[in-house]
This record gives sequence, structure tokens and C-alpha cells, in this order.
Amino acid sequence: QVQLVESGGGVVQPGKSLRLSCAASEFTFSLYSVHWVRQAPGKGLEWVAAISYDESKKYYADSVKGRFTISRDNSKNTLYLQMNGLRADDTAFYYCAREVVTAIPYFDYWGQGTLVTVSS
Amino acid sequence: SYELNQPPSVSVSPGQTVSITCSGGKLGDKYTCWYQQRPGQSPAVVIYEDNKRPSGIPERFSGSNSGDTATLTISGTQAMDEGDYYCQAWDSSTVVFGGGTKLTVL
Repeated sequence: QVQLVESGGGVVQPGKSLRLSCAASEFTFSLYSVHWVRQAPGKGLEWVAAISYDESKKYYADSVKGRFTISRDNSKNTLYLQMNGLRADDTAFYYCAREVVTAIPYFDYWGQGTLVTVSS
Repeated sequence: SYELNQPPSVSVSPGQTVSITCSGGKLGDKYTCWYQQRPGQSPAVVIYEDNKRPSGIPERFSGSNSGDTATLTISGTQAMDEGDYYCQAWDSSTVVFGGGTKLTVL
């Protein structure tokens, strides 16, 4: 069964950095684009970033552009999100999601999420 | 930036039909998918490409998309269908989610 397991969340002060990881298993990770999606507690889903299967293309939401960096290590089947200059409004559960391509891509598997709390 | 708008909440009685709308400029020219998020769980796709159901999704879930509005319809709603529903589309190379609709099965 496809698995995506996020880790690296925690409490961090405003302005500091944090790196999230998403470990993939039971599928050929190197063939899929993957995304980060976040959800502030009690709020809706917000797309954060995407990376192509070969890391050649990266896309970011305006709200994180210039502060967050998405990357991947296909040899380790792992997706990363480096978050710098964290702000209180970055507090959220962060999910990684696998993109499946049909006529238009959608997310067929999601991780369980990791909570990032930005607070002094 | 592109926006998708959903009603904050809808309610339905068990066994009845409910529709959840998602509106956006010329949304019918794009493909829309829908995710269900039960309390305490991660989202899961229930409709993709406007009206296709992934394997394992009951036939009572259906979708349509025309003009500026996409619609998720649940027929014969069950208590287990309660949760939050999000529409999603693409705007160029970025992903856009609707604000979500809380479905209550009374």
C-alpha cells in the first residue's frame, strides 16, 4: 500500500527555520511529482509547493515564495520542505501528497500530516 | 490569482440528496476534482476530472462542471459522508483549493 509519512514538525520561533521530510514507500517515488499542502488548525486546505519527478520543475504559492524551498532525494525516496523566515501564519498541518496524472493531475495519496507551530 | 468559492456549510438528512457547489471564473473550462476530509483524517479524492470516481468511491458520489460552477452531488447520503469537502482546480502550474464546505448529516 502506498505510504507517505511526514516528519520534522514542531514548535519554532518566528523568523527561525525548519525542514520537513516526507518518506515515500510502496511505489516508485522517482516517477511521480509530489506536493506540499498545508492546513491551519480548523481552516481549509492551502497548496504550498510542488516538485516534478526529476526535480527539474518547482512551483510555489505566493505566500511562501522566497522563504520555502521544495526538494527531493529520489535515492532516499524522500521529499523535503525547507522553511525559512517562519511566521505565525505558517502554523499548520503540512501534508505531502502524490500527484497522479490523468487528463489533469490530482492527488491520489496523502500523508497523515505533521504539525508546525510558529510561536514565541 | 484564481479563486474557488464554496458555501461554508450544507446539511442533509440521511438518505437524501445533497449538492455542494464550487464557483470560479470559467471553471467549466478547467477540470475540477473533489476531496473529502473526515474529522481527524487526511483528505481523500472522491471525484476527479469533473465526474470520475476513483476505485472504491461509492456510486452515490457524482460530479459535474459547466459554466462557472462545478457541483458535487451525493445521492442517498449516509452518516459516514459527514465531513469537509474541498474542490480543487489548476491555475496554470499552481493548485487552487476552494475554501471547503462542511457537510452535516442530520
